[in-house]
Amino acid sequence: AAGVIQSPRHLIKEKRETATLKCYPIPRHDTVYWYQQGPGQDPQFLISFYEKMQSDKGSIPDRFSAQQFSDYHSELNMSSLELGDSALYFCASSLEGGFNTEAFFGQGTRLTVV
Amino acid sequence: DAKTTQPPSMDCAEGRAANLPCNHSTISGNEYVYWYRQIHSQGPQYIIHGLKNNETNEMASLIITEDRKSSTLILPHATLRDTAVYYCIGAGGTASKLTFGTGTRLQVTL
Repeated sequence: AAGVIQSPRHLIKEKRETATLKCYPIPRHDTVYWYQQGPGQDPQFLISFYEKMQSDKGSIPDRFSAQQFSDYHSELNMSSLELGDSALYFCASSLEGGFNTEAFFGQGTRLTVV
Repeated sequence: DAKTTQPPSMDCAEGRAANLPCNHSTISGNEYVYWYRQIHSQGPQYIIHGLKNNETNEMASLIITEDRKSSTLILPHATLRDTAVYYCIGAGGTASKLTFGTGTRLQVTL
C-alpha cells in the first residue's frame, strides 16, 4: 500500500541557508501535518492543512512557512537556518481532517544544520 | 487537546501481555483516545483509537473506563519488536492535530 513519502530523507545545510522539505500524502488524503522532533525529544506539532487551507498552527517559527498544493502535497520552507533547527521532520496525512481516523506518518527528513 | 499522563517507562517479558495505562481526566466529550508508537527515530505508527467503547484490532486492545478519564492499551503477546515509545493522545474535531506528550518507553525483554 502507498505510504506517506517525504523527500529528501537526509539534508545537510549551513547556518543561514534555506531548506525545503516535501511531503506526498497517501492518495486521497486531504489533510497534512508537520512535526519536528529534536534529539531525545518527542514530536512537536508545527502546522497542518486541510483541503489546502491551513487548519492549525503550533510552535512553528516565523522563519518557517508551509503550504499544501492543489495535488495535496505539502512543502515546508525553512529560512535563516539555525543550529537548533537540526531535527527529524515528520509529515503525516489523514482523511477528512483526521476526525475519527488515523494519521499515517512518513519516515521523516533528517535535517542537519552545520 | 486533552492533557494525558503516562508512566515514563515499563518493562515486559516477551510473550506476556503489556498493559500500558494512560490518564486523560480532562478529555472532552468529542475527543478520541489515540495510541501511537515510535520505534527508534522512525515515523510514529498508529495503533488504535476509540471514543468510549473498548476497541480491538490486529495490533492491540484499548480499554476505556466508563468515565473516560483513563484508558489502557493492551498488547496481548509482546515481542521484542514491540519495544518502542508509546504515546496516548486525546484529539478530536476537524483537522485535529495530535499532540504528543512524553509517552511510555516500553522495553520488552527475553
